[in-house]
Amino acid sequence: DIQMTQSPSSLSASVGDRVTITCRASQSISNSLNWYQQKPGKAPKLLIYAASSLKSGVPSRFSGSGSGTDFTLTISSLQPDDFATYYCQQSFSTLSFGGGTKVEI
Amino acid sequence: EVQLLESGGGLVQPGGSLRLSCAASAFTFSNYAMSWVRQAPGKGLEWVSDLSGSGGSTYYADSVKGRFTISRDNSKNTLYLQMNTLRAEDTAVYYCARRIVGTIGDYFDYWGQGTLVTVSS
Repeated sequence: DIQMTQSPSSLSASVGDRVTITCRASQSISNSLNWYQQKPGKAPKLLIYAASSLKSGVPSRFSGSGSGTDFTLTISSLQPDDFATYYCQQSFSTLSFGGGTKVEI
Repeated sequence: EVQLLESGGGLVQPGGSLRLSCAASAFTFSNYAMSWVRQAPGKGLEWVSDLSGSGGSTYYADSVKGRFTISRDNSKNTLYLQMNTLRAEDTAVYYCARRIVGTIGDYFDYWGQGTLVTVSS
């Protein structure tokens, strides 16, 4: 099975900061990587699919990049609504998620 | 708007059974693969099971294989998860999710609000 490792597991940031979250796969997964945002007590929401495609309706301050084993999610200017936990997920083989990155003030 | 509404969660003793349901609306249910994903309290997300649109193909995580059964009734726009021989480690919020499997990506585009399953004596 493919293991997904996110870093950092948590980070502190301020409104307006540029935030980067990293996800590493234990083997190459091409561009089969998705990013989700989850707020406490709520279901995850899709942000980015296929490593870099922004889901319709998601603010353009979110972007994704990478291929193979290394991927990043970038929030160009953190907004109050962005404080949440972010998960990467690979769909190259048996589905698996990263451990999550909590973005807090 | 696409809606997924889970039900059937609750408290069950170890070794017991439970059936979860997920009622779908506002899309052609039979055209989409559907999945169950769970989240233990304070933990991350774990994929549990998948089912093709026709119901002909099923997939399970090793942690639930042989104990859980995914199914669907396309006439009722409903997805199910029959959970048998439940263990304490199955305690989690269970989400149903619509899975998009296409040439440009493979991802969960809509999720339900989740239903809590607690396995405890």
